[in-house]
Amino acid sequence: QVQLQESGPGLVKPSETLSLTCTVSGYYIISGYYWGWIRQSPGKGLEWIGSIYHGGTTYYNPSLKSRVTISVDTSNNQFSLRLSSVTAADTAVYYCARVGEYDYFDFWGQGNLVTVSS
Amino acid sequence: DIEMTQSPSTLSASVGDRVIITCRASQSISSWLAWYQQKPGKAPNLLIYKASSLKSGVPSRFSGSGSGTEFTLTISSLQPDDFATYYCQQYNSYSPLTFGGGTKVDIK
Repeated sequence: QVQLQESGPGLVKPSETLSLTCTVSGYYIISGYYWGWIRQSPGKGLEWIGSIYHGGTTYYNPSLKSRVTISVDTSNNQFSLRLSSVTAADTAVYYCARVGEYDYFDFWGQGNLVTVSS
Repeated sequence: DIEMTQSPSTLSASVGDRVIITCRASQSISSWLAWYQQKPGKAPNLLIYKASSLKSGVPSRFSGSGSGTEFTLTISSLQPDDFATYYCQQYNSYSPLTFGGGTKVDIK
């Protein structure tokens, strides 16, 4: 069974960079599929942030593209999210997920609440 | 961006009821639609992909239909475990992947 687990700080100061890591178990990232990040806030619902393939190919939501970097570490079976210049509007639960065969999300992490506040 | 509109936003129903949730896309997405169930404090859980394909392990009382711009999720006989919020998601293109606003199914 594929399992994903997000890790990272729960509190980030405004203007700083949010960093989260997703550790995958039960499946080797290098075996295939894209891997993605999604966030959920009360104000904006579910929002796709971006996705990455094990080879490093990425797709980002244009609304966040200038601030987002997603990277992959196949040796540790992890992928990561960096979101720069955060504001209170970036406060959300951040999920990592496996992107299924046709770009739906078939396995999800439990979520990591990140609050942006000084 | 492709906008996804769900209706209703809230639905009150009883155990045993047939429940239908609608999702409309702002432009044609063929059959590239998924449905998710989310319970409070938990991640969304994939129910259906490609508009009507049931994910392995999902009860057969869940079904999906539609193509183009109009889609439905049907729960044939609502069970106590089904009270949750449901979301649709289009994946016709990466520009960008988008979700509907959700439909909360609560107890009448």
